[in-house]
Amino acid sequence: QVQLQESGPGLVKPSETLSLTCTVSGGSISDYYWTWIRQSAGKGLECIGRIHSSGSTNYNPSLKGRVTMSVDTSKNQFSLKLSSVTAADTAVYYCAVTYYYGSGTFYNPSWGQGTLVTVSS
Amino acid sequence: SYVLTQPPSVSVAPGQTARITCGANNIGSKSVHWYQQKPGQAPVLVVYADTDRPSGIPERFSGSNSGNTATLTISRVEAGDEADYYCQVWESSSDIGVFGTGTRVTVL
Repeated sequence: QVQLQESGPGLVKPSETLSLTCTVSGGSISDYYWTWIRQSAGKGLECIGRIHSSGSTNYNPSLKGRVTMSVDTSKNQFSLKLSSVTAADTAVYYCAVTYYYGSGTFYNPSWGQGTLVTVSS
Repeated sequence: SYVLTQPPSVSVAPGQTARITCGANNIGSKSVHWYQQKPGQAPVLVVYADTDRPSGIPERFSGSNSGNTATLTISRVEAGDEADYYCQVWESSSDIGVFGTGTRVTVL
């Protein structure tokens, strides 16, 4: 199983951009899908979006165009940017590997430990 | 969006069986995955595609899915099974994973 580790600022000001990176170890980032998930007290677990090692992405429509994901295969990393943040974006952010099971179904067999991001001035 | 409803809490005595439900319209037509989350830790996959178990997950964890309800069953419950459990399906319209509301399992 691959290991994943999130990194980035723990405090972001309102209206600014949240930026996180996930470093993958114990395996190659290539040929797999990777997902960002967040967990807040008010909304439980929420999938933010998914990126393939090729760079193709799929984002949660509820985040209304504020999300950008990217992948750097040379560093075995993928990243999340969430713009125009508000207090509602305060959450623990997880990165996870995503396997395709078939019939349009994916699941997340391994997660990072998570990182708390607080949005506050 | 697709809403997955779980009971907020389930209490069970050690050695007994815990059943956690995940309800949604025609969920039986989808593949359901289950995650266990202990306090301060990341979720861990315990069942995927309705009934399959990842390596390292005890056989005491099993799943089923039919009609409007999917169920995670924990047999011979142990104190270490105390955790929050979440179901997940992949929503075809948005091509995004959707999680259930979560169930806290308390071992009496």
